[in-house]
Amino acid sequence: GDSVTQMEGPVTLSEEAFLTINCTYTATGYPSLFWYVQYPGEGLQLLLKATKADDKGSNKGFEATYRKETTSFHLEKGSVQVSDSAVYFCALSDNTGGFKTIFGAGTRLFVKA
Amino acid sequence: NAGVTQTPKFQVLKTGQSMTLQCAQDMNHEYMSWYRQDPGMGLRLIHYSVGAGITDQGEVPNGYNVSRSTTEDFPLRLLSAAPSQTSVYFCASSRTGRIDTQYFGPGTRLTVL
Repeated sequence: GDSVTQMEGPVTLSEEAFLTINCTYTATGYPSLFWYVQYPGEGLQLLLKATKADDKGSNKGFEATYRKETTSFHLEKGSVQVSDSAVYFCALSDNTGGFKTIFGAGTRLFVKA
Repeated sequence: NAGVTQTPKFQVLKTGQSMTLQCAQDMNHEYMSWYRQDPGMGLRLIHYSVGAGITDQGEVPNGYNVSRSTTEDFPLRLLSAAPSQTSVYFCASSRTGRIDTQYFGPGTRLTVL
């Protein structure tokens, strides 16, 4: 079945450092890919998404490119801030008729001042 | 718009007790779902609904019941609580379900003793 694998955390960075969180997926169809963020004590909220191969999603300085050839959707940000400290979830949603979103295990990011 | 609301925020149950977690959305979304979040496991789908009167099982449905009598409400019932159901529960909604952004509630933290 479909699955999402994320790099394990926690990831600890200093402010203004470059961030990469790896995400790879397995899917039988042509999924849409998402990154969600969860701030402490809150529910998940969409950070960015891409619906087809080579699409780049971007929001708040974060970017991720849908790479079909490597089945990847890595999250990047050029300069992190303390306020980016959160848990990041990679997810896929099946386009072939299903209604299910598959989430990765989440990667916790700590950014130090 | 309130978005997706969940009640209660916290709940402690004894083994064998039953209870209902409430979820409501005011965005007229057709698709609603329940997830549980456990450490290191991401979010797992319990049940989902593609419209009023229609529900289906997700990845981990055992021990839970749902119903969808209106577009707005999607309650989750625990029939006989077990310690394995200790978790954080999130309700989510989306416009159609297919590749759509999901909007999450703030979560209910449930402890079963």
